[in-house]
Amino acid sequence: EDQVTQSPEALRLQEGESSSLNCSYTVSGLRGLFWYRQDPGKGPEFLFTLYSAGEEKEKERLKATLTKKESFLHITAPKPEDSATYLCAVQPLGVSGSARQLTFGSGTQLTVLP
Amino acid sequence: DAGVIQSPRHEVTEMGQEVTLRCKPISGHDYLFWYRQTMMRGLELLIYFNNNVPIDDSGMPEDRFSAKMPNASFSTLKIQPSEPRDSAVYFCASSPGAGGTYEQYFGPGTRLTVT
Repeated sequence: EDQVTQSPEALRLQEGESSSLNCSYTVSGLRGLFWYRQDPGKGPEFLFTLYSAGEEKEKERLKATLTKKESFLHITAPKPEDSATYLCAVQPLGVSGSARQLTFGSGTQLTVLP
Repeated sequence: DAGVIQSPRHEVTEMGQEVTLRCKPISGHDYLFWYRQTMMRGLELLIYFNNNVPIDDSGMPEDRFSAKMPNASFSTLKIQPSEPRDSAVYFCASSPGAGGTYEQYFGPGTRLTVT
């Protein structure tokens, strides 16, 4: 069974204080690892897809990295508008390589204080 | 593109009533997913479709839940009869098909409250 564990559950940072969020996973054949941002009362918003160990993706103050067992979302010099819940999800290859389901972690609730 | 559209945004109903949630995926996307989000269990996949055909419904909680996709631009999730434990936010998501990328795009959700 695919499993995703995110830590910490909650993180409070001062504006400008860089940090990292962790996503550990077990999956029987990884097609991709996905990061989403979710604001209160809204649906998850897609951020990144990582497909292979060593891959990195960047978007503004966010950088996602992937190893064979975990992924990190690095937040550099965060601003209050980065406050949100960040969700990690894995997608398996599946038996026939056609699986499309995502298994989500429980998320990290990030608060950036001005 | 307007993104994934869901209706209603909020639904309050009494136990035992039938509830129908609606979703319009992004045009051209071949995959459609229904998720449920609660504080206790997080975001859980209920069912997904490929080209209007249900592929995996192993996440559907029980026979009270059913989902249909009569055409490429419309899907419904029905709960009959509803129970208080069905209270949650239900999301619809869509994803491109073969040859495309694998990320899923979520709608704004329907917040269901069953009293």
